[in-house]
Formats: sequence, structure tokens, C-alpha cells
Amino acid sequence: GQNIDQPTEMTATEGAIVQINCTYQTSGFNGLFWYQQHAGEAPTFLSYNVLDGLEEKGRFSSFLSRSKGYSYLLLKELQMKDSASYLCAVLNSNYQLIWGAGTKLIIKP
Amino acid sequence: GAVVSQHPSWVICKSGTSVKIECRSLDFQATTMFWYRQFPKQSLMLMATSNEGSKATYEQGVEKDKFLINHASLTLSTLTVTSAHPEDSSFYICSAKPVGLESNEQFFGPGTRLTVL
Repeated sequence: GQNIDQPTEMTATEGAIVQINCTYQTSGFNGLFWYQQHAGEAPTFLSYNVLDGLEEKGRFSSFLSRSKGYSYLLLKELQMKDSASYLCAVLNSNYQLIWGAGTKLIIKP
Repeated sequence: GAVVSQHPSWVICKSGTSVKIECRSLDFQATTMFWYRQFPKQSLMLMATSNEGSKATYEQGVEKDKFLINHASLTLSTLTVTSAHPEDSSFYICSAKPVGLESNEQFFGPGTRLTVL
């Protein structure tokens, strides 16, 4: 079967750094996405990795290791507005997005 | 750019009625659109892949006669929930993949919250 694993919930402090991990097992791989989703809203795109390595975009960075089936999303200088669910999704060989259950990130002052 | 809209944003209906949800790509063409369902505190579940001008491809366990999908143009796909029941109450989200876009990014609509009484 195909599955995406990520922690259910994480807590961090405003101004700090947090790393959200994602491991995956899918039928083929055509890239990994990270999305942010606030409660009651649709997901918004954060990053896309298809090659190994680190992609940096402002306060957010995403890392991929295809050999390990592993990715992480790194959030720096956390702000209260970063409180949301973070979804890891993998595009499989059929170009279908396989979604993780999401990691709820709680930011405390 | 790459904006996707959904209509309605929320709908409440009586059990047994049908509800149509529209998904439009406003500033791009999309040969492929995807329909997802998300129950509270759960991940997005792909229901079907909608291709312009052809029949939709449904995921295992999704009843094609209950969830009718029509992708009549490059900018519009519709999902009709027929004979809705309370267990169909959920957050329905569509996404669209732009024609010709090199990346595999999908752009999401804002979602439609369906409540069946």
C-alpha cells in the first residue's frame, strides 16, 4: 500500500525553529509537496521537491531524500500566524497526490 | 495567477436532495481537475480525477453514480452529490493542474462545506 507518515501534532514557541518530518512509501515518485492548511480552509502551496536536497524559500525550507523516502519542512522565526496544519503529499507514478494526515502545529507566545 | 474558485462556499440541504458544486479555474486552463473530500481532523481523500471531455476516474470506494462529475470545459468541473445523506456531510475541495505547466503543482479551490440534515 501507499502511506505517508507525519507527526499528528507539534508545539513550538514564537520566534523559534521547528522541523516537521514526513516519511513516505508510494508507488513511484514524481515529487513531494508541502501545503499549509488553516482550519476550515483549503490547503495553500508551500513547496515542491523532486530532487534531493534543500529548497529554501524565505522562512520556510523543505528537504528531500528520495533514497530514504524522507522529507522535512523547516519553519524559522515562527509567528503566531504559522499555527496551522502542515500537509505532506507525494505525487506517485500515476500523478496522483497521496496525502499525509497532516501535522497540527501549535505556536505558543 | 492560478486562481481556482468553488461555488458555493457552503451549503445546507435536506437528506435525499442533490447538490451541485462548481470548480472553476479563473485565469488558466486545466485539462485535469481533482475532487477531494476531507472529514474533520483527517487528511484529504482523493475522490476522482476529472479530465476535460472524458469520463472521470473514480477512486476505489467512491460511488460514481452518487458523485457525478462533469468536466465540460477547460475551466469548469462540477461535482453533483446525488441523494445526499448526513454521512456525505464533509468539506469538498477541488484542485486543478494547469495545461503546460512544467511543475506538477496543483492549485486548490477554497473548498465547499456541505452539511446534510
